[in-house]
Amino acid sequence: DAKTTQPNSMESNEEEPVHLPCNHSTISGTDYIHWYRQLPSQGPEYVIHGLTSNVNNRMASLAIAEDRKSSTLILHRATLRDAAVYYCILRDGGGADGLTFGKGTHLIIQP
Amino acid sequence: DVKVTQSSRYLVKRTGEKVFLECVQDMDHENMFWYRQDPGLGLRLIYFSYDVKMKEKGDIPEGYSVSREKKERFSLILESASTNQTSMYLCASRWGSNTEAFFGQGTRLTVV
Repeated sequence: DAKTTQPNSMESNEEEPVHLPCNHSTISGTDYIHWYRQLPSQGPEYVIHGLTSNVNNRMASLAIAEDRKSSTLILHRATLRDAAVYYCILRDGGGADGLTFGKGTHLIIQP
Repeated sequence: DVKVTQSSRYLVKRTGEKVFLECVQDMDHENMFWYRQDPGLGLRLIYFSYDVKMKEKGDIPEGYSVSREKKERFSLILESASTNQTSMYLCASRWGSNTEAFFGQGTRLTVV
């Protein structure tokens, strides 16, 4: 599986935008980029995913570099409830696979 | 809403016991997964299943087995529980490859 690299932790202030980076230099042409987050004492939850184009949904935006070797999850206006561990995962577009998580980025939001 | 339900939130078992962790999903999902989560190690995949009676080893299958006799239910079995299997266990399901996965709330297992 192609690997991802994320910072161990990041800190941001409430009501400010947050940009969470993910490097995936060995990404293949069929790998989708998925983001999940895990709030304290809960199971992970899906945030967003994309292949080549930038994506937006109600939770976040995903900006994908033109060469696809990196991506950025953008929380437009962080709240205290966004404090969580954020995981960037690569998934092949076809076939069954195991959905492998890395260690993620621990996002701390300061009031 | 999709629901992934794990049978117990907290469980305490003795060393050597056979332990069953049950997971049920209500959305007719093809794929189901079992993970364990430990501080500093993140989520690690134990086993997954992409269809009834089908299973694949994940990254850390040693000491575990699984059973998927019905589509909605995926069981994780600790044949002989050991203290190093004390952990948070998370179950997940999804419809198919590259779709959103849904997680249960987790079972915190303590082996004494």
